[in-house]
Amino acid sequence: DGGITQSPKYLFRKEGQNVTLSCEQNLNHDAMYWYRQDPGQGLRLIYYSQIVNDFQKGDIAEGYSVSREKKESFPLTVTSAQKNPTAFYLCASSIVDSNQPQHFGDGTRLSIL
Amino acid sequence: KNEVEQSPQNLTAQEGEFITINCSYSVGISALHWLQQHPGGGIVSLFMLSSGKKKHGRLIATINIQEKHSSLHITASHPRDSAVYICAVRHSGGSNYKLTFGKGTLLTVNP
Repeated sequence: DGGITQSPKYLFRKEGQNVTLSCEQNLNHDAMYWYRQDPGQGLRLIYYSQIVNDFQKGDIAEGYSVSREKKESFPLTVTSAQKNPTAFYLCASSIVDSNQPQHFGDGTRLSIL
Repeated sequence: KNEVEQSPQNLTAQEGEFITINCSYSVGISALHWLQQHPGGGIVSLFMLSSGKKKHGRLIATINIQEKHSSLHITASHPRDSAVYICAVRHSGGSNYKLTFGKGTLLTVNP
């Protein structure tokens, strides 16, 4: 079955550490996205990529970095510069077409120790 | 003011009741999505609308482009419908990659 796999489901980080969240898709989608979800707020776009080796900042990119070396993979690194990293992170993918739905992973919950 | 507003924020219903969740938006859009998020966190796309009405099983979604308003209806609600329902709009024009999300409506259906 095609889909999006995020790992791990739960992640703990110590203060000052970088941590990388994995997102893999086998849907052959060109576009991939990272969102952050906080209680009481809508999802907010961190980064997106519409093609391999290219990505753009979303609305809240500060303190995050991404890479897109393969079509299937779009890892997100939460750096120590992100002052409030505790949140639920969702990865999504879609074909590059303005009216196609995005497919979401099951998310990674990141907490600071 | 948020670009996407949902109401109500929380909704509790008895099994079998007809449920309506509303979404209003203030930007130009090319499409509107209704999403379902279960307690584990994963999100499933329910509908994508650019006009009119769509139906899938007990779920019905409508959109009025002129009034910038959409509704999601659930007929004969069931406890397994309990989830967060999220409205998201895809912007028209140059930002058409971007989805703006509402804060979600938490639906609880009691047996």
